[in-house]
Amino acid sequence: QSVLTQSPSVSEAPRQRVTISCSGSSSNIGNNAVNWYQQLPGKAPKLLIYYDDLLPSGVSDRFSGSKSGTSASLAISGLQSEDEADYYCGAWDDSLNGYVFGTGTKVTVL
Amino acid sequence: QVTLRESGPALVKPTQTLTLTCTFSGFSLSTNNMCVSWIRQSPGKALEWLALLDWDDDKYYSTSLKTRLTISKDTSKNQVVLTMTNMDPVDTATYYCARMRKVGITNYFDHWGQGTLVTVSS
Repeated sequence: QSVLTQSPSVSEAPRQRVTISCSGSSSNIGNNAVNWYQQLPGKAPKLLIYYDDLLPSGVSDRFSGSKSGTSASLAISGLQSEDEADYYCGAWDDSLNGYVFGTGTKVTVL
Repeated sequence: QVTLRESGPALVKPTQTLTLTCTFSGFSLSTNNMCVSWIRQSPGKALEWLALLDWDDDKYYSTSLKTRLTISKDTSKNQVVLTMTNMDPVDTATYYCARMRKVGITNYFDHWGQGTLVTVSS
């Protein structure tokens, strides 16, 4: 069902850097802004990045976003145990005339 | 302070119609670029967008579910209602409502409710 493709999981040690990718198409990422959401275990998702690379107020600057063509990336630097969560990309899709989410990436801090 | 809260039955039987209500505060759905949306998440699965109602009363639906979904609002109560017909056990999920800011190419969910778990079982 997910239109945007993410790697299923990534693991890294504390204080290291991880990058999560999100692949889409011209009708979604290629033509619209990408957003990223963090979902901590048992919690509702939370907006992490919007408009490709903007941080909402209160979000740590250890998180950063980027986009190129029909792909986007989320980077987490200085990894901390509290960053263990599922991360989803999302964007509007002009062909579907609706919002689409990524398949989700589980981040594990070793 | 923006808040959203979902309410509705925790258990529905197969073939029944589900009605969920999102009660929100801290913003007006009449304000430009404001929208309320429904998203669900089956156990252990990814987020799935369902429907959206915008400030201009335009409605958008998931193409795969549009024949079963209806989204509406009660402006006086600051509520957005989602109905889903012909429920099936595969519809068992946590249902979230969220506020969307919809501005040109920028569309994002900046506030979410806590979610409500709906189980479909006889």
